[in-house]
Amino acid sequence: GQNIDQPTEMTATEGAIVQINCTYQTSGFNGLFWYQQHAGEAPTFLSYNVLDGLEEKGRFSSFLSRSKGYSYLLLKELQMKDSASYLCAVTDSNYQLIWGAGTKLIIKP
Amino acid sequence: GAVVSQHPSRVICKSGTSVKIECRSLDFQATTMFWYRQFPKQSLMLMATSNEGSKATYEQGVEKDKFLINHASLTLSTLTVTSAHPEDSSFYICSASLPDRNTEAFFGQGTRLTVV
Repeated sequence: GQNIDQPTEMTATEGAIVQINCTYQTSGFNGLFWYQQHAGEAPTFLSYNVLDGLEEKGRFSSFLSRSKGYSYLLLKELQMKDSASYLCAVTDSNYQLIWGAGTKLIIKP
Repeated sequence: GAVVSQHPSRVICKSGTSVKIECRSLDFQATTMFWYRQFPKQSLMLMATSNEGSKATYEQGVEKDKFLINHASLTLSTLTVTSAHPEDSSFYICSASLPDRNTEAFFGQGTRLTVV
């Protein structure tokens, strides 16, 4: 079956760095997405990886290793507004999005 | 980025009534839209794939007669929850993608449905 695993919850301190991991097992792979979702709102796009390596976008970076079925989202200089759920999603061979359950990130002052 | 508008954002209805949720792509044509349901503290669950001009494709376990989907134009898809019950209370979200399938999905604002 298809499966995406990410930690349920993480806590970090304002100004620090946090890494949210995602491992996946899917039938084929056509890209991996990270989304941010605040409570009661729709997800918003953060990053897209289809080739191995690191994609940097401001305070956020995303890494992919296709051979390991692994990705991480790195958030630097954490701000209180970064408190949200972070969803990992993989596009399979049929271009269907498979969603992880999300990681709730709690930022403490 | 592309904009998807979903309406209403919140709705409260009585048990047994029907509720219609609209999803519009404002600045692009979406031949395919997706409808998700999300329960508290859970991930997005794909309910159905809505194809313009044809019948929707429902995921296993989703009742097509209860969740009616209409995709009459390239910019509008609707989800109607018929004979709603309290267990249908949830957060419903639509999304659409650009024709290039390697781009991100654009989400509507979501609809919080409460059935009393």
